[in-house]
This record gives sequence, structure tokens and C-alpha cells, in this order.
Amino acid sequence: GQQVMQIPQYQHVQEGEDFTTYCNSSTTLSNIQWYKQRPGGHPVFLIQLVKSGEVKKQKRLTFQFGEAKKNSSLHITATQTTDVGTYFCAGKETSGSRLTFGEGTQLTVNP
Amino acid sequence: DAMVIQNPRYQVTQFGKPVTLSCSQTLNHNVMYWYQQKSSQAPKLLFHYYDKDFNNEADTPDNFQSRRPNTSFCFLDIRSPGLGDAAMYLCATSNTGRRLPYNSPLHFGNGTRLTVT
Repeated sequence: GQQVMQIPQYQHVQEGEDFTTYCNSSTTLSNIQWYKQRPGGHPVFLIQLVKSGEVKKQKRLTFQFGEAKKNSSLHITATQTTDVGTYFCAGKETSGSRLTFGEGTQLTVNP
Repeated sequence: DAMVIQNPRYQVTQFGKPVTLSCSQTLNHNVMYWYQQKSSQAPKLLFHYYDKDFNNEADTPDNFQSRRPNTSFCFLDIRSPGLGDAAMYLCATSNTGRRLPYNSPLHFGNGTRLTVT
């Protein structure tokens, strides 16, 4: 079945440093979604990418979808303490109905 | 504000004692999902309703059942909870069309944290 792998599992940064998490799928995806889950909270939708090579920005966050639609990345510029949380990617196979979540990257930011 | 509401926020049940978790939504979304999330893990899909159509995941234990009496409400029944069923249970909704099913973002509730004693 479809597998979505996410690295790194944990990332500790100093406030102001950049952060990147990577997501790789074993199969071609029709779309990929990114979610943020604060400690003790629930996942909150950030963005969806659909097109091959797509790049979207939300303030300090940059999301990319690979040309082959099998990988994606989330980059945060100049992290802040409010960025703390676990970032999940979730991909849907082209032929499937299920959204498969990656294992998430837990980000901690030291002030 | 339109939202997904889960009750209760915390639920304690005894080993083997049936428990029901509830979810309601004011978004009028046609798809409702139940996810199980254990500590430091990704949400795991248990099942979902596409309108009234129930879709079970192949690896969801028979111990877990669900009901969706109407568009707004969905229930998760755990018939005989075991210690391994202690987790956060997340309800989510999405609004998806027949032409592009399951391509829409998920809206999660706050979750119910289940403890089994």
C-alpha cells in the first residue's frame, strides 16, 4: 500500500533559524496537504498542493510539490516560538481514496 | 463560527466497558472521518462516511463501530475497550465532490482523549 515518509522526525532550532521538513511518497500523488498540530491540539490544515512543481508561500512558510508529484517540502524562514508543533504532510494517491499521513516532524524552537 | 465539535474532551472508561464518542459539525460537510492518534504518531484513519455510505479501513478492528444518523452527527462506538485503545480520537470533516473525491482539506475537531483503566 501507499507509504508516506517524512523526515526528520524531530528538529530543534534556535529562534531565527530556518527549518525544513521533507515528505516522500512511494506512489504518485494527486495532491498533498500540510497540517500543523500544536502540542495538545488537533491538526490544522495549512495548505494543499495539486500541480507538479507547485510552490506556494504563506508569510514565512514555503511549500513545494515535486515535479514527479512524489515528494514535497515545507520550509520555515526565521522560526519563531509560535512555530512550535508537529507538521504533518498527507498525500492522496492518484487512484486512491485515502489521505495517508506522514509520521510528522516535531519542531521545537528555543527562544 | 462553523466548526467540528467533539464531546467529551476527556473520557475515562474501564477495560471492556463500552464507550461512545460523539462528533457534530456545523460545516454541512458530506464526509466525516474518525482517526485514532497515539502519542507522537500520525493520525490513523479508522473509517469514514461519504454521505451515508460507510467505508471501513481494512485494518480497523471489529471492536470499533460507527454511526452517522444524519449529516451533522457521527459517533464512534468502542464495544470492548482494551488498554491498547487508549489514544486521542479525532473526528474530521471534508466537503468533497463526486468528480474529485477526497481532494478537499480536513477540518478536525479538538479530539477526545480516551483513557482505559
